[in-house]
Amino acid sequence: ETGVTQSPTHLIKTRGQQVTLRCSSQSGHNTVSWYQQALGQGPQFIFQYYREEENGRGNFPPRFSGLQFPNYSSELNVNALELDDSALYLCASSSRQSYGETQYFGPGTRLLVL
Amino acid sequence: SQQGEEDPQALSIQEGENATMNCSYKTSINNLQWYRQNSGRGLVHLILIRSNEREKHSGRLRVTLDTSKKSSSLLITASRAADTASYFCATDASEGAQKLVFGQGTRLTINP
Repeated sequence: ETGVTQSPTHLIKTRGQQVTLRCSSQSGHNTVSWYQQALGQGPQFIFQYYREEENGRGNFPPRFSGLQFPNYSSELNVNALELDDSALYLCASSSRQSYGETQYFGPGTRLLVL
Repeated sequence: SQQGEEDPQALSIQEGENATMNCSYKTSINNLQWYRQNSGRGLVHLILIRSNEREKHSGRLRVTLDTSKKSSSLLITASRAADTASYFCATDASEGAQKLVFGQGTRLTINP
């Protein structure tokens, strides 16, 4: 158990809809990162939030957006869902005190877009 | 884009044998981390090795890092059925955001 929780665990949406995924970080951690993992692939970095600001973004379009709250929990929002957005979405929390801190992952939210 | 490339993509061994997985990457890194994933669930952190380290141990795990060859290996000794999982290496080369770049993983099966 990492102390990182995500909700919901599973979600089914249709193309064009919008979705919000949630993540609660481990106690004491101020940084949350989001990753997308397609079936059979390794996770790909979407973006990272530190102290409520986006602090780095991967190669994902603007319809992927996020928020971080004062308690360091976070949301990932995806607008105009496409079939290829079907994936496991993972959040990871860490303490950004120096470079190279371990990221602790939650169990993920499995999204299916029909 | 995937920076790390794991080798082999799949590995099947008998319980009690040792399992070795390799990871190669392309750019200079701050550190390299190994994670385990069971059946498409969350990632479990196994070990972090910094760029100035050459070897680390944690229980039955041994990780080596060769920055001149841009490669790392994960050795699991005395394997158990519970070690069956996918194993990923992830590199952190970022300045600022802690962006992990994952390979496609090695699927390890331990046969009883």
